[in-house]
Amino acid sequence: GAGVSQSPRYKVAKRGQDVALRCDPISGHVSLFWYQQALGQGPEFLTYFQNEAQLDKSGLPSDRFFAERPEGSVSTLKIQRTQQEDSAVYLCASSRQGGGNEKLFFGSGTQLSVL
Amino acid sequence: AQSVTQLGSHVSVSEGALVLLRCNYSSSVPPYLFWYVQYPNQGLQLLLKYTTGATLVKGINGFEAEFKKSETSFHLTKPSAHMSDAAEYFCAVSASRAAGNKLTFGGGTRVLVKP
Repeated sequence: GAGVSQSPRYKVAKRGQDVALRCDPISGHVSLFWYQQALGQGPEFLTYFQNEAQLDKSGLPSDRFFAERPEGSVSTLKIQRTQQEDSAVYLCASSRQGGGNEKLFFGSGTQLSVL
Repeated sequence: AQSVTQLGSHVSVSEGALVLLRCNYSSSVPPYLFWYVQYPNQGLQLLLKYTTGATLVKGINGFEAEFKKSETSFHLTKPSAHMSDAAEYFCAVSASRAAGNKLTFGGGTRVLVKP
């Protein structure tokens, strides 16, 4: 595709509900990142994939958060038993190789509200 | 570990006036530095980046930034603000060009342009 696509754009969940957020990176991009952006703050790293391999998940805040990229393209971020503190915008980004000096291409994000 | 501090969460400038957004970083190794812009309901877009070489970096839309190692700063400037510059701006740092090296973002500065 032309850019990074994320769905849904908005998600409202009741506390305790499970949610799944989808990211379609730019075709051919090896690296995929997930970030969490709380209201009024900068994005914070959650996890990183190189192709299908999850090489860094140090930013996932708890074991309720799980991410996968089974075929090295589309990725899903799943949050189990959502809590109010999970409310944030979840950003997906991709890059050709994922090097720290590379440009990241970001999606528009999924805004999650947990009631 | 890296960190980024952006001075001023909100900046108001008049159309045609200088835009100056301040960014200071902390890094234990020579950093890679970035400025991203986020327009409403859009993903973050890269404005410019410093990796190696010339310390004055020119980006899109007339923005530029200067890497000053002695001051650990990477301030963003634009000589003449335009209404379309109203957005949120994020400074970010990466510690390595290695694949998967994540960006650490500052808290962001929201720019308001007055006619």
